[in-house]
Amino acid sequence: EPEVTQTPSHQVTQMGQEVILHCVPISNHLYFYWYRQILGQKVEFLVSFYNNEISEKSEIFDDQFSVERPDGSNFTLKIRSTKLEDSAMYFCASSISGGAGEQFFGPGTRLTVL
Amino acid sequence: GESVGLHLPTLSVQEGDNSIINCAYSNSASDYFIWYKQESGKGPQFIIDIRSNMDKRQGQRVTVLLNKTVKHLSLQIAATQPGDSAVYFCAEGANTGNQFYFGTGTSLTVIP
Repeated sequence: EPEVTQTPSHQVTQMGQEVILHCVPISNHLYFYWYRQILGQKVEFLVSFYNNEISEKSEIFDDQFSVERPDGSNFTLKIRSTKLEDSAMYFCASSISGGAGEQFFGPGTRLTVL
Repeated sequence: GESVGLHLPTLSVQEGDNSIINCAYSNSASDYFIWYKQESGKGPQFIIDIRSNMDKRQGQRVTVLLNKTVKHLSLQIAATQPGDSAVYFCAEGANTGNQFYFGTGTSLTVIP
């Protein structure tokens, strides 16, 4: 069964460093998403991406964040200058259709900012 | 400083019993709702969804009920099994949008 994959499973970085989180969505999906979940808190929407551009983003997704689909398979989330409060699980998801379409989540990348 | 996290509501049920998990949503304009299951160490997994033009939808062993008047959503799991133990989240959003807001979650424990 096709699944969303994410690498690395755990990323440790120093405050102020740039990190790039990697995702490979399901191959025939057209919509891509990033969410984060701070330990013990809600899953929070960050951004959705379709047709090589951001379709929606939340208030969390400020200028420190960017997304890219550098090739036909990868979907990345970059945090330019990490802060302690960026420590969280970051989930990538993809769906065939947007809106009311089932989103398939990856296993997540745990980001720890020291 | 001390970190503050959400204290998840918890529900414990005996194997074979039915479970009901509740969720209150906040936005009257939301017209699409989803229930997700999240097992420890994994990402959320879609269970069932419902649009606002419906008040009930059934899947395999699961039923979602929507009460728009009081902005309440529930997930009923029939004949609960140990594999159903997980945290269950509701999410709300717009049928035509891509941004969804998750609830705090309920931790379900099934006692064999």
